[in-house]
Amino acid sequence: KAGVTQTPRYLIKTRGQQVTLSCSPISGHRSVSWYQQTPGQGLQFLFEYFSETQRNKGNFPGRFSGRQFSNSRSEMNVSTLELGDSALYLCASSLPPADSYEQYFGPGTRLTVT
Amino acid sequence: ELKVEQNPLFLSMQEGKNYTIYCNYSTTSDRLYWYRQDPGKSLESLFVLLSNGAVKQEGRLMASLDTKARLSTLHITAAVHDLSATYFCAVDNTNAGKSTFGDGTTLTVKP
Repeated sequence: KAGVTQTPRYLIKTRGQQVTLSCSPISGHRSVSWYQQTPGQGLQFLFEYFSETQRNKGNFPGRFSGRQFSNSRSEMNVSTLELGDSALYLCASSLPPADSYEQYFGPGTRLTVT
Repeated sequence: ELKVEQNPLFLSMQEGKNYTIYCNYSTTSDRLYWYRQDPGKSLESLFVLLSNGAVKQEGRLMASLDTKARLSTLHITAAVHDLSATYFCAVDNTNAGKSTFGDGTTLTVKP
């Protein structure tokens, strides 16, 4: 069974630009969550999607947004990039909550903003 | 606001020794996770603990959960070099989305 995939794996952008990251969950998983990992702030929850609906959102500015498609693939977008957005962005997929709580993480997208 | 505290944050130990990593959390939760992260890699799920008194073991690692004390422990038995990694605990706040993570414990096992 294929794991969670994320594209691209590495990205370099300039301040003020925008970026879109993609996440394909494990087949059959309908819940996708996004996390940001930085040395200073650690791992922080961004948002969670289930059946194309955002169920929860972390404490991030509106520049961070996401969506989920009918095939459960998810994208997150960051507009007007700032230097502080440089981070490893991880997505995780899981079965519907009633079936399992375990999250499976993808390899991450490392974003560098210059 | 749910807070998760791990200690120690850094742990250097010799092969063959035992040690325990502690994870305290601030509000009631019914799900606690332990993950491993190798440098430059993603997170690997180690344990999911769902109830008070839950204990799970895999190889040299054993995790336990005390929901009354809001405490989980990850016990390492007879450490080997391959266990060198950063270990995170995470707790779900059921009504506020997915997991809140601790700061991680970076474990270095020396020969």
